[in-house]
Order: sequence, then structure tokens, then C-alpha cells
Amino acid sequence: GAVVSQHPSWVICKSGTSVKIECRSLDFQATTMFWYRQFPKQSLMLMATSNEGSKATYEQGVEKDKFLINHASLTLSTLTVTSAHPEDSSFYICSAGTVNNEQFFGPGTRLTVL
Amino acid sequence: GENVEQHPSTLSVQEGDSAVIKCTYSDSASNYFPWYKQELGKGPQLIIDIRSNVGEKKDQRIAVTLNKTAKHFSLHITETQPEDSAVYFCAASPGGYQKVTFGIGTKLQVIP
Repeated sequence: GAVVSQHPSWVICKSGTSVKIECRSLDFQATTMFWYRQFPKQSLMLMATSNEGSKATYEQGVEKDKFLINHASLTLSTLTVTSAHPEDSSFYICSAGTVNNEQFFGPGTRLTVL
Repeated sequence: GENVEQHPSTLSVQEGDSAVIKCTYSDSASNYFPWYKQELGKGPQLIIDIRSNVGEKKDQRIAVTLNKTAKHFSLHITETQPEDSAVYFCAASPGGYQKVTFGIGTKLQVIP
């Protein structure tokens, strides 16, 4: 099956710093990648849809200037949480879409902002 | 937009018994219905999916049914094992690289 990796798997940072999370599709090309946020015991909340070579489409209520998304190639998308604050602490998960409309998820990144 | 409802939110079964999770969706344009299994601290894993031109699909102990008229679909796990314990999410999508809308999840516990 398709494999999606994320890096780092966990990160702890100080309030006010920026954190970059990478999402890679390892064995297929993903024209579209998705970024989700998940709080404990809750479902996945879509933050944005990332298309290779174009600007990301953000869901309502998601600050595009705070959550910067770059989809520079067909195998890599990055999410940068700028000026992170404790309320940004969460589990961030990416997924990569295939031509058959399937979405394969990465293992997630646990962000803790102190 | 699409709205996916999922129930039950928690489900406990004895090992060897069957487990059924049900979902409904609202958007008749949805034509792709994946199911994901998420273990604690990990990303969701696609376990089975079904498309609108099919009414049922089976993969070993897992089966999914779809009723487009009623807009509901279900996951059936037979002969459950302790390693089946996880949170299961249903989802719906109109396809074409469009976003997937998730249900709230079902925490399945298989009791040895």
C-alpha cells in the first residue's frame, strides 16, 4: 500500500517559535495533500488542502498566516506553525491523495508548545 | 457541505463476536466511502473502502455495505480479535481529490 511519512513524529517548542512539519509520499506522487488537526478523543479536523504548485485552500476558521502550507513537489508538503502558542498544541496529521481518490495518512506529529 | 454521522461512539464486544459500526451521510454527491482504523498515537490507516457503484465489499474478516438510497453505510468485523481494538472512522467524499468528511469515530474494545 501507499506509504506516507511525517517528520518529526513529535516536537516540543517554546511559545513564540515556529515549527515546520514535513509530509512525504514515499512510493507515489500526490497531487493533493491534506492537513488535519486532531484533539484527544476527537475526530480529524481538516485544516487545509494542499495542491502541488499552487496556494493551499484553507478551511473556514483556520488562519492561513499562522499555518503556512507549502506543497513544493509531488511528494512533499510542509506545514509551518508560526509563532506557536500553547493552544496550538495538538496532533497534526497529513494525508496524500491518489488518482483513485484514496487518502493515505501519515503517522502524525505531536506538537507541544510550552 | 457533507455531514457524516457515526454510531455507536463506543463499542465493546467479546473476542470472537462480530462488531458493526454504522454511518449516514447527507450529500448525495458523495461516491467514495473509506473506513479508517486509528490506534493510539498513530495516524489513521485505510482498512477498506467502497464506491457508489458497489453495494458490498469484503476483505477477510472485514466487510462494508452501502445503501445509496438510504445514504448509509456500515462496517462489519467478524471473529473479532484483541488487536482489532482501536478507533474506527467512517468517511465520505465526492471524489476527484475533494476533501473527505469524517465521522466522530467509534472506539472498539475487544475483550479477550
